[in-house]
Amino acid sequence: AQSVSQHNHHVILSEAASLELGCNYSYGGTVNLFWYVQYPGQHLQLLLKYFSGDPLVKGIKGFEAEFIKSKFSFNLRKPSVQWSDTAEYFCASAPGYSSASKIIFGSGTRLSIRP
Amino acid sequence: EAGVTQFPSHSVIEKGQTVTLRCDPISGHDNLYWYRRVMGKEIKFLLHFVKESKQDESGMPNNRFLAERTGGTYSTLKVQPAELEDSGVYFCASSPEVSGHTDTQYFGPGTRLTVL
Repeated sequence: AQSVSQHNHHVILSEAASLELGCNYSYGGTVNLFWYVQYPGQHLQLLLKYFSGDPLVKGIKGFEAEFIKSKFSFNLRKPSVQWSDTAEYFCASAPGYSSASKIIFGSGTRLSIRP
Repeated sequence: EAGVTQFPSHSVIEKGQTVTLRCDPISGHDNLYWYRRVMGKEIKFLLHFVKESKQDESGMPNNRFLAERTGGTYSTLKVQPAELEDSGVYFCASSPEVSGHTDTQYFGPGTRLTVL
């Protein structure tokens, strides 16, 4: 069965610090990977996604993630965070064989940025 | 383009009562999903419609939950009778029918259900 684990429940950083949020997935076949973000009071929205090709994926707002197949990892990074990055971040996976299927989410990482 | 909408935004009911949640997907999206997040835990899949048909309902917790999508447009999720453990945020998502790879799911704002 698929599963996704996020290593950190709550991360607190100062503005301009670098960010890396860990994510590991468990699935034996082809997998699609996502990072979703939920800003306070807003909808869940897609930050970036990996389907195939270049394992380094660029997303919105300066975020990127690297797919490392040998480590079953898809960590999210940003070189310099801003106060507006305060949000909850969800790593997620879905089987790659289907165009439409359920997404398996990690438990989320709450990111707090000190101004 | 309007996003996914959900109604109500909040619902507070007593144990044993019935509640119906509604989701309006993005116009033209054939796929509609329901997810739930119980406080402090991960967002969990409940079920998936393709148009009006249930494609996957493996995440439905028990037979107190009934989802419908008549006409392949909006969907309702009814909980009857509600129990304390049903409290949480219920999310709806939709995606177009696109072949190839998993398409992006667009999420609604969620309905926060509190069962007292």
